[in-house]
Amino acid sequence: DTEVTQTPKHLVMGMTNKKSLKCEQHMGHRAMYWYKQKAKKPPELMFVYSYEKLSINESVPSRFSPECPNSSLLNLHLHALQPEDSALYLCASSQDGQPVTYNEQFFGPGTRLTVL
Amino acid sequence: KNQVEQSPQSLIILEGKNCTLQCNYTVSPFSNLRWYKQDTGRGPVSLTIMTFSENTKSNGRYTATLDADTKQSSLHITASQLSDSASYICVVSGGSYIPTFGRGTSLIVHP
Repeated sequence: DTEVTQTPKHLVMGMTNKKSLKCEQHMGHRAMYWYKQKAKKPPELMFVYSYEKLSINESVPSRFSPECPNSSLLNLHLHALQPEDSALYLCASSQDGQPVTYNEQFFGPGTRLTVL
Repeated sequence: KNQVEQSPQSLIILEGKNCTLQCNYTVSPFSNLRWYKQDTGRGPVSLTIMTFSENTKSNGRYTATLDADTKQSSLHITASQLSDSASYICVVSGGSYIPTFGRGTSLIVHP
């Protein structure tokens, strides 16, 4: 299995809602990533988990809360979002998170989030 | 500052024609360079990945080249098809495993 899956594909939520995005991979990868992508822009890194521990938080607002329950799963909990948070949220995984390794990232299909 | 610059920003070609996309980077130290294809509203799909010792890598009709001395890469698409219409993103990784993304080249293939 060489696939990263994400659910849901689409999500519409109000600013007072609490929702979660889910990401799963069964490639034995030990690094997992959350990216945010606005239209016609490259993905922006949000969080990196390496060996199930949060290793990078790119100054993301606390209304986004990541969670890595095990090595195959990555969640992104959403609370009190703003309309400007509407974007495509991409999950990715790679073999490991160490530098200078041959470390190809595999992306999921993304969750299209709309905040009303 | 690590940067990845891609050109052209957008490109329109006729079906069956070839095209070449460019990527220049200032990421240092250099670990690897990847080309991704991203369809609108979908996640990026890897086309090629190259380390500093690799000059050329092919994947079907896609051929990537890398010149680590001049810090340039190109992606050549042969005999374009309508399904090649997408954004092509160059991504460079260096000493940190946080990659640097280019802004992408939007390719439109017309029948």
